[in-house]
Amino acid sequence: ETGVTQSPTHLIKTRGQQVTLRCSSQSGHNTVSWYQQALGQGPQFIFQYYREEENGRGNFPPRFSGLQFPNYSSELNVNALELDDSALYLCASSPQTGNYGYTFGSGTRLTVV
Amino acid sequence: RKEVEQDPGPFNVPEGATVAFNCTYSNSASQSFFWYRQDCRKEPKLLMSVYSSGNEDGRFTAQLNRASQYISLLIRDSKLSDSATYLCVLYRDDKIIFGKGTRLHILP
Repeated sequence: ETGVTQSPTHLIKTRGQQVTLRCSSQSGHNTVSWYQQALGQGPQFIFQYYREEENGRGNFPPRFSGLQFPNYSSELNVNALELDDSALYLCASSPQTGNYGYTFGSGTRLTVV
Repeated sequence: RKEVEQDPGPFNVPEGATVAFNCTYSNSASQSFFWYRQDCRKEPKLLMSVYSSGNEDGRFTAQLNRASQYISLLIRDSKLSDSATYLCVLYRDDKIIFGKGTRLHILP
């Protein structure tokens, strides 16, 4: 059973650019959620996808968008990057929404310069 | 007031001791609760789900108190490998909300 994999592991972008981060969910999981974690903080929920539809969103602006594909893998897109977007971006998958715990990938560390 | 609050610590505890920490939440509509642990520069890992009836997994016991709106985690016979940040997590209205975490250092 493969776990959650994210790519790339590290990325450096310039302010104003766009970035796409990728996540492959654990086998058998149809729910994927994305988080932003700044140093010393808990993960902040960005959004969640269930069967290719967004079904929950945190307090992030519309320039944070996503997709889930038929194989339940997912992308996080961030437009017009700002310096404050520098963080660890975590993806997690679950067999269903709500009452099940989430399995996390090891994250993508994004640095915006 | 933050929706999930945790004492950031650090809790410095000698090996073999028992340690407990709580997490309070403000929204009574919260549906599911979990404890995760996160090692330095690693991803969070699910430790256990939390139920009103209480649940135990080896040295770890978790409890949910809906009336007082808190969850707790008790670690008995603590090991050096228990050193980590413990994150309180709740699920509400299709949102997953993390606390900032409590840092635990087990001292030899």
